[in-house]
Amino acid sequence: SQKIEQNSEALNIQEGKTATLTCNYTNYSPAYLQWYRQDPGRGPVFLLLIRENEKEKRKERLKVTFDTTLKQSLFHITASQPADSATYLCALDGADKLIFGTGTRLQVFP
Amino acid sequence: DTEVTQTPKHLVMGMTNKKSLKCEQHMGHRAMYWYKQKAKKPPELMFVYSYEKLSINESVPSRFSPECPNSSLLNLHLHALQPEDSALYLCASSRNTGDPGELFFGEGSRLTVL
Repeated sequence: SQKIEQNSEALNIQEGKTATLTCNYTNYSPAYLQWYRQDPGRGPVFLLLIRENEKEKRKERLKVTFDTTLKQSLFHITASQPADSATYLCALDGADKLIFGTGTRLQVFP
Repeated sequence: DTEVTQTPKHLVMGMTNKKSLKCEQHMGHRAMYWYKQKAKKPPELMFVYSYEKLSINESVPSRFSPECPNSSLLNLHLHALQPEDSALYLCASSRNTGDPGELFFGEGSRLTVL
């Protein structure tokens, strides 16, 4: 069956450290993968998109990698801040629709 | 204008009521979506509209009835809902469905069914 799993339901890290979130998928062949941030009670907000022919994408303190052989994407937040605390969702394309992973709740403490 | 606007923000309804959720975007996007999200779970796709036509229905019960009156508006009509339908209903839009790029989400409508 098709699955998109984010390996940690919750991740706690100290301010200033790098947070690394993982997204693994099975039985998909996505042309792209996206990452979203969601704050409690609000809609997801797009962060980054990476295509299957791209190994890495960066935006300010964010970095995403995409390994189609391992069927995995890694999402890094460097120099993390308490304001980065949120749920992070990966999402990939599955036949004209975007399917979301299980999400990781990141808590950055001072 | 890069906003997706959803109304109402909160809705409480009984199982015999009929209500509607509304969604509006003015970005010229031709794809619009309804997602349902339960607490601590990811958004689950319900419906996709492409160029104002229903292109995907994820086997959603008929008590949920989507409507796309024009390219800027998306409605979700609710009738005879069950308490387990209580959730955050998210509307989203994208430039198209084939290679949509980012989805723009509204803030959601929090539905409680009594």
